Amino acid sequence: GAVVSQHPSRVICKSGTSVKIECRSLDFQATTMFWYRQFPKKSLMLMATSNEGSKATYEQGVEKDKFLINHASLTLSTLTVTSAHPEDSSFYICSARRGRGRQPQHFGDGTRLSIL
Amino acid sequence: AQTVTQSQPEMSVQEAETVTLSCTYDTSESDYYLFWYKQPPSRQMILVIRQEAYKQQNATENRFSVNFQKAAKSFSLKISDSQLGDAAMYFCAYQSGGGADGLTFGKGTHLIIQP
Repeated sequence: GAVVSQHPSRVICKSGTSVKIECRSLDFQATTMFWYRQFPKKSLMLMATSNEGSKATYEQGVEKDKFLINHASLTLSTLTVTSAHPEDSSFYICSARRGRGRQPQHFGDGTRLSIL
Repeated sequence: AQTVTQSQPEMSVQEAETVTLSCTYDTSESDYYLFWYKQPPSRQMILVIRQEAYKQQNATENRFSVNFQKAAKSFSLKISDSQLGDAAMYFCAYQSGGGADGLTFGKGTHLIIQP
């Protein structure tokens, strides 16, 4: 159990386009989902916390207008990179927490985004 | 803000030997969780072991065990009988006790297993 699906796994697009990444909890309800970014050979950095039915909470330094997060249901959160530029190229990975309280996070397999 | 420090960018160990990966953290909280995650080249994040700060007993999962020293804010991972499949990046991570927060990761340790 506790499977998190992330789609797409890889996307290559032109500069200026917007890209949507989906994170789904397949077999549990996730009231909270998290979005992380990982640069090559670097650690994961928390970008934002997504709570179902409310606005996302962004970490300091993360542009909320650049990285739009929507968590419209208990099983789906989306991250949209708007007007993407080469510097937005990175590995984006989501995680989902089952229910409330002291539950561990379960990670998706990540999305490799390349902006040409 | 919490910080997590992994001082070993890379470690190498002979197959079947034991290796210890270091992690220290800084926090003013008393209630929190600590994790070790494994990230192979596929970049999946695989939970290796989880420790609750209020539990004095060190967590163990088969060949993986931790040495949790709360006063020293140290959380090392010991891998016994190392196997080729253990080769990966290992990240130490911190989470506030409420569980509502995301994880704070260390910079990672690249573990190499020598056959």
